[in-house]
Amino acid sequence: KQEVTQIPAALSVPEGENLVLNCSFTDSAIYNLQWFRQDPGKGLTSLLLIQSSQREQTSGRLNASLDKSSGRSTLYIAASQPGDSATYLCAVTNVYNNNDMRFGAGTRLTVKP
Amino acid sequence: SQTIHQWPATLVQPVGSPLSLECTVEGTSNPNLYWYRQAAGRGLQLLFYSVGIGQISSEVPQNLSASRPQDRQFILSSKKLLLSDSGFYLCAWSSTTLAGGAYEQYFGPGTRLTVT
Repeated sequence: KQEVTQIPAALSVPEGENLVLNCSFTDSAIYNLQWFRQDPGKGLTSLLLIQSSQREQTSGRLNASLDKSSGRSTLYIAASQPGDSATYLCAVTNVYNNNDMRFGAGTRLTVKP
Repeated sequence: SQTIHQWPATLVQPVGSPLSLECTVEGTSNPNLYWYRQAAGRGLQLLFYSVGIGQISSEVPQNLSASRPQDRQFILSSKKLLLSDSGFYLCAWSSTTLAGGAYEQYFGPGTRLTVT
């Protein structure tokens, strides 16, 4: 059974810092990995999707990497801003069933002005 | 562009009452559709998914059921709610073609359900 772990559970940084969020998964047989952002009481916003054959994806100040063999992904946020404050969720999709997506518990990020 | 709607946004229901949550998607055809629940302190859990009209797969045994009466409509139901059904219910869709985004999932705004 796929287990997804995100470390740290919470992170507080001053504005302007670069930061890294970590995600690990136990079964490397994944189809893709997706990073989401969730604001309090809201739905999920897709940030980046990495196919299992890819190593990284970039969007603006965000860069996500994937090391499938070691079961790890990182989300790098450059020059953090208070508007980046949210919970960040990592999720992996099963290669045997593309509809089976498993989520980590998330990292709650606070960026202080 | 594609849009996903959920209603109601919030709902307070007594134990034993029925439930019907609705999700609709605009701007795409033949999407895969999903229901998730996010309970306090437990993370997101996949409840049901559907790859076509009338086709429902259940991921966990529970007090809930799902139906897909139309291509872009997904309904979550219960005949009798339990206290443990409280949570934040999220609907999502994905494209079924690689060109369409390779199963990238897009989420709706959610429904907050409180069972009293």
